[in-house]
Amino acid sequence: AQSVSQHNHHVILSEAASLELGCNYSYGGTVNLFWYVQYPGQHLQLLLKYFSGDPLVKGIKGFEAEFIKSKFSFNLRKPSVQWSDTAEYFCAVHGSSNTGKLIFGQGTTLQVKP
Amino acid sequence: EAGVAQSPRYKIIEKRQSVAFWCNPISGHATLYWYQQILGQGPKLLIQFQNNGVVDDSQLPKDRFSAERLKGVDSTLKIQPAKLEDSAVYLCASSPRAGGLYNEQFFGPGTRLTVL
Repeated sequence: AQSVSQHNHHVILSEAASLELGCNYSYGGTVNLFWYVQYPGQHLQLLLKYFSGDPLVKGIKGFEAEFIKSKFSFNLRKPSVQWSDTAEYFCAVHGSSNTGKLIFGQGTTLQVKP
Repeated sequence: EAGVAQSPRYKIIEKRQSVAFWCNPISGHATLYWYQQILGQGPKLLIQFQNNGVVDDSQLPKDRFSAERLKGVDSTLKIQPAKLEDSAVYLCASSPRAGGLYNEQFFGPGTRLTVL
């Protein structure tokens, strides 16, 4: 069965620090990979996605993620975080199936101190 | 383009009571999903509709949960009777295509259910 593991449950950074959130998935076939973000009081929004092609994908607000197939990883990065990046981040995988079901990780809460 | 609409946004009930949630997906989207998000966890799919047919309800507790999408547009999710462990945020999402890969999902604001 597919699963997604996010390495960090709670991350606290100061503004301008670099960010890397780990995500590993288990599935051997073709995958689509996503990072969603949920800002306080708001709904889940797509940050970035990987469908195919260049394994380094860029998303909104300066975020990027790298798909490393050999490591089953899709880590999220940002070189310099801002206070407004405080949110919960979810990694999700969509395997090769007819249903389109997303499997989510447990989420990482990011707190950025001004 | 209007997003996925859900109501109510918050609901507090006592255990053994019934509750219903409503979702209106983005216009023209073929697929509709209901997810349950328990505090501290990622969303978990409960049921997926493609147009008005059920594609996946393998994780829906069918003894108490039911859902329908009668005209292939909006949908309702019902819990009867509710248990304490049903306290969660219920998320509705929709996607433009009929499932499968390369199909982005758009999420609504969710309904936060508290069962006392």
